[in-house]
Amino acid sequence: GQNIDQPTEMTATEGAIVQINCTYQTSGFNGLFWYQQHAGEAPTFLSYNVLDGLEEKGRFSSFLSRSKGYSYLLLKELQMKDSASYLCAVLDSNYQLIWGAGTKLIIKP
Amino acid sequence: TAGITQAPTSQILAAGRSMTLRCTQDMRHNAMYWYRQDLGLGLRLIHYSNTAGTTGKGEVPDGYSVSRANTDDFPLTLASAVPSQTSVYFCASSVGGASGTDTQYFGPGTRLTVL
Repeated sequence: GQNIDQPTEMTATEGAIVQINCTYQTSGFNGLFWYQQHAGEAPTFLSYNVLDGLEEKGRFSSFLSRSKGYSYLLLKELQMKDSASYLCAVLDSNYQLIWGAGTKLIIKP
Repeated sequence: TAGITQAPTSQILAAGRSMTLRCTQDMRHNAMYWYRQDLGLGLRLIHYSNTAGTTGKGEVPDGYSVSRANTDDFPLTLASAVPSQTSVYFCASSVGGASGTDTQYFGPGTRLTVL
């Protein structure tokens, strides 16, 4: 079967750095997405990785290792507004997105 | 532009009743999707449409039907609602095509409670 694993919840301090991990086992791979979802709102796109390595976009970076079936989202200089759920999703061989359950990130002052 | 709109925002529905959730996008995207999101579970695909006039079944299609008469609209119908269909429903769209990044953009969601 297809499986995406992420931690259920993480806590970090304002101004710090946090890394949210995602491991996957899917039938085929055509890229990995990270989305942010604030409580009661729609998911919004953060990043897309299809090649191994690190993609940096401002305070957010996303890393992919296809051989390990592993990705992480790195958030730097955390702000209170970063409190949200972070969803990992893999585009499988049929170009359908398989979603993880999401990681709820709690930022404390 | 509005992007993707959904209606209603929320609804309480008696079991056995039918209901159509509406979704409209103004981005001229080819592909559209319906997901449900339940606590502790990832987004699960109900139905999708790669282009106007075609639809396909996702992971959890039972009890739901869709149509795609034109590019902009993708309504989701529950023919006879059951309590297990209580969920938050998200519509999404993407440019479409089986190549490259195909980022999905989401509507604001419909919170449905079936009693």
